[in-house]
Amino acid sequence: GAVVSQHPSRVICKSGTSVKIECRSLDFQATTMFWYRQFPKQSLMLMATSNEGSKATYEQGVEKDKFLINHASLTLSTLTVTSAHPEDSSFYICSARVHLNPYGYTFGSGTRLTVV
Amino acid sequence: RKEVEQDPGPFNVPEGATVAFNCTYSNSASQSFFWYRQDCRKEPKLLMSVYSSGNEDGRFTAQLNRASQYISLLIRDSKLSDSATYLCVVSHGNEKLTFGTGTRLTIIP
Repeated sequence: GAVVSQHPSRVICKSGTSVKIECRSLDFQATTMFWYRQFPKQSLMLMATSNEGSKATYEQGVEKDKFLINHASLTLSTLTVTSAHPEDSSFYICSARVHLNPYGYTFGSGTRLTVV
Repeated sequence: RKEVEQDPGPFNVPEGATVAFNCTYSNSASQSFFWYRQDCRKEPKLLMSVYSSGNEDGRFTAQLNRASQYISLLIRDSKLSDSATYLCVVSHGNEKLTFGTGTRLTIIP
């Protein structure tokens, strides 16, 4: 149980275009979803926390107008990278807290974004 | 100074050997501690939580020293399938997780 489905797993896009990444909780309700970014050989860095029905909370240095987060339902959160540039190329991954297990965080399988 | 620091490795260890990883954290208010495992180009997966009393799960033993702000992971009788990057993860109790850069382990046949 407690699966987060993330799509797409890999995307290549042209500079200036926008890319949407979806994370769905399949068998539980995720009131909070965390969005991370991981550059090669670096740690996962929290970008933002999305809460169902309210505005996302962004970490310092993350542009909220560039990384649009929508969490319109208890089972779906989306991250849209707008006007993507090559430096946005990274591994994006979502995570949700599984409340049945106080120490449980389940992760999506990640999206590898390449901007050319 | 990074909030969570780990030796990046790589650690190249023969199969069957014992290997230990260390991690230090800077925020004394940290409340929860975990070891995650991440395979290449995959999502992190929880290996085990870490408690002050120490805890063991099969071949894996985790220890926490709050006074020294230090966490360790010991893997006994290492298997080829243990090859991965091991992430030290800390939480301050607000649900946010802070990840270390990870320690890369390769088990050699």
